[in-house]
Amino acid sequence: SFEMTQPLSVSVALGQTARIACEGNRIGNEIVHWYQQKPGQAPVLVIHRDTNRPSGIPERFSGANTGNTATLTISRVQAGDEADYYCQVLDSNTGWLFGGGTKLTVL
Amino acid sequence: QVQLVQSGAEVKKPGASVKVSCKASGYNFRSYAIHWVRQAPGQSLEWMGWIDAGNGDTRLSQKFQDRVTLTRDTSANTANMELSSLRSEDTAMYYCARDYYGSGNNAFLFWGQGTMVIASS
Repeated sequence: SFEMTQPLSVSVALGQTARIACEGNRIGNEIVHWYQQKPGQAPVLVIHRDTNRPSGIPERFSGANTGNTATLTISRVQAGDEADYYCQVLDSNTGWLFGGGTKLTVL
Repeated sequence: QVQLVQSGAEVKKPGASVKVSCKASGYNFRSYAIHWVRQAPGQSLEWMGWIDAGNGDTRLSQKFQDRVTLTRDTSANTANMELSSLRSEDTAMYYCARDYYGSGNNAFLFWGQGTMVIASS
């Protein structure tokens, strides 16, 4: 089945740009979604279909997906962006898959 | 506004079954699939399956095919997930989530608040 790998953690200074990778074999051929999860809360969809922001998600959040890497980019990072981030893909054989998650720390 | 409200926390003994409900409001319940996702403490998200709220068709993760039953009650706008033969490894937060566009093949746009299930003797 398809497998995705995310870095365990990413650190970024306040106001800078954070990039969170989700790597998988030819993941660029798949549709990737991204979720943000803060401690004690349910996940929130921040990017769907590789690049699209749901209503209410700031423009600072963007996505890209090409080759073997999908990337969630958060510009002008704020303290409130500190959270776990998960990528998600639909595998035709096994169903929905989530990456292992990346903890974003804002310095 | 769309809301998914789940039933309360459960503590069960190993070998027992647990049923978690997810009551939907603010949209046409029959038009959207409901997914079930669990998260063990400190772990990633794990998809369990989804149910077409319109016709009741289900698709389950192979991992849970023998132990999970998904149902829905359209008169009550409620989806249910029953997990049988509980073991300690099933201790987790269980979430329901609504499909973005309806079919089950899209992102999960709205989520319930989660139901903690503890399997312990």
